[in-house]
Amino acid sequence: GENVEQHPSTLSVQEGDSAVIKCTYSDSASNYFPWYKQELGKRPQLIIDIRSNVGEKKDQRIAVTLNKTAKHFSLHITETQPEDSAVYFCAANQAGTALIFGKGTTLSVSS
Amino acid sequence: GAVVSQHPSWVICKSGTSVKIECRSLDFQATTMFWYRQFPKQSLMLMATSNEGSKATYEQGVEKDKFLINHASLTLSTLTVTSAHPEDSSFYICSAPFRNEQFFGPGTRLTVL
Repeated sequence: GENVEQHPSTLSVQEGDSAVIKCTYSDSASNYFPWYKQELGKRPQLIIDIRSNVGEKKDQRIAVTLNKTAKHFSLHITETQPEDSAVYFCAANQAGTALIFGKGTTLSVSS
Repeated sequence: GAVVSQHPSWVICKSGTSVKIECRSLDFQATTMFWYRQFPKQSLMLMATSNEGSKATYEQGVEKDKFLINHASLTLSTLTVTSAHPEDSSFYICSAPFRNEQFFGPGTRLTVL
């Protein structure tokens, strides 16, 4: 089955800096790679996703890149703000199957 | 967007009792739903896949006799934690796929005393 590795587990940046979180996956059949932000006690909130037919996707300060050959994908947050502080999860799956999550990254943005 | 609800949002029970958690797709039909468990400061771990009209598929290490799953309709899956113990205390969350995305319920916080 699918296995998703996520690094780093914690990340501290200064406000305005960029943050990068990286994930690798094992199942070459996976074709959907979402990123979630989760606040304590709440459901994961989708912030951006990418599908296997695309190499990069951007939404304002957030971007995701996908390298299918190497089986890794990354989340890039530019101009970080204190409200970006949260736990971020990557995940992977094939359409219709369960998402398999990485272990999460706790991002702290200090002002 | 698609909406998934869960009930209850939190529950406290005594050790040895059973607790039922409901997951509903409100505006779409879901032949498949997924149940996850999340312990504090950990990731979402897939417990089982709930299939409408057939048996659930459990992940390795998840006891099917302890975590009973029923998916009797296209909009409802239930997870029953039987003979709950303190180590079952966790955040349980369901999801359902719709149009190539996954939609999550708000989660249920279970505390077993």
